[in-house]
Amino acid sequence: KAGVTQTPRYLIKTRGQQVTLSCSPISGHRSVSWYQQTPGQGLQFLFEYFSETQRNKGNFPGRFSGRQFSNSRSEMNVSTLELGDSALYLCASSAGLAGGNEQFFGPGTRLTVL
Amino acid sequence: GEDVEQSLFLSVREGDSSVINCTYTDSSSTYLYWYKQEPGAGLQLLTYIFSNMDMKQDQRLTVLLNKKDKHLSLRIADTQTGDSAIYFCAETPPYGYNKLIFGAGTRLAVHP
Repeated sequence: KAGVTQTPRYLIKTRGQQVTLSCSPISGHRSVSWYQQTPGQGLQFLFEYFSETQRNKGNFPGRFSGRQFSNSRSEMNVSTLELGDSALYLCASSAGLAGGNEQFFGPGTRLTVL
Repeated sequence: GEDVEQSLFLSVREGDSSVINCTYTDSSSTYLYWYKQEPGAGLQLLTYIFSNMDMKQDQRLTVLLNKKDKHLSLRIADTQTGDSAIYFCAETPPYGYNKLIFGAGTRLAVHP
């Protein structure tokens, strides 16, 4: 079974631009969550999608948005990039409806904002 | 409130046992997890425990949960150089669906 894939793996953008990151979950998984990892703030939850609906959201500004498609693939978008958005963005997929399920992470997309 | 704390560094000799500790604040957390992250990689789920359990063993890994003190530990027996990585403790808050709240991570260094 293929694991969680994220594209692109690396991205360099400049302040003010926008970016879209993609995550393909494990086949059959319907839940996709996104996390931001930085040296200063650690791993922080962005949002979770299940069956195309956002059902949980972290404390991030509205510049961070996401969506999920009918095939469970998910994208997250960051508009008006700031230097502080430089981070490793990780997505995780899970089969289950409720918490307590195994969540499998992708390798991440490393975003650098110049 | 939601908070998970871990010590930042641990250094052990190859072959010894490693014990990584974690405390959490939300007593109603339902599941507690241990993840491993190697340089340049994503997170690998090592094991998890339901909050009504005291202990879980999986090969070289033993998880102990003290719910009264909100303390979670991960013991790695016969630690190898390949175990060098950052270990994250995480909890799932009630009604959080699949949301994970992570600690800052413990960097484990294994030396000969």
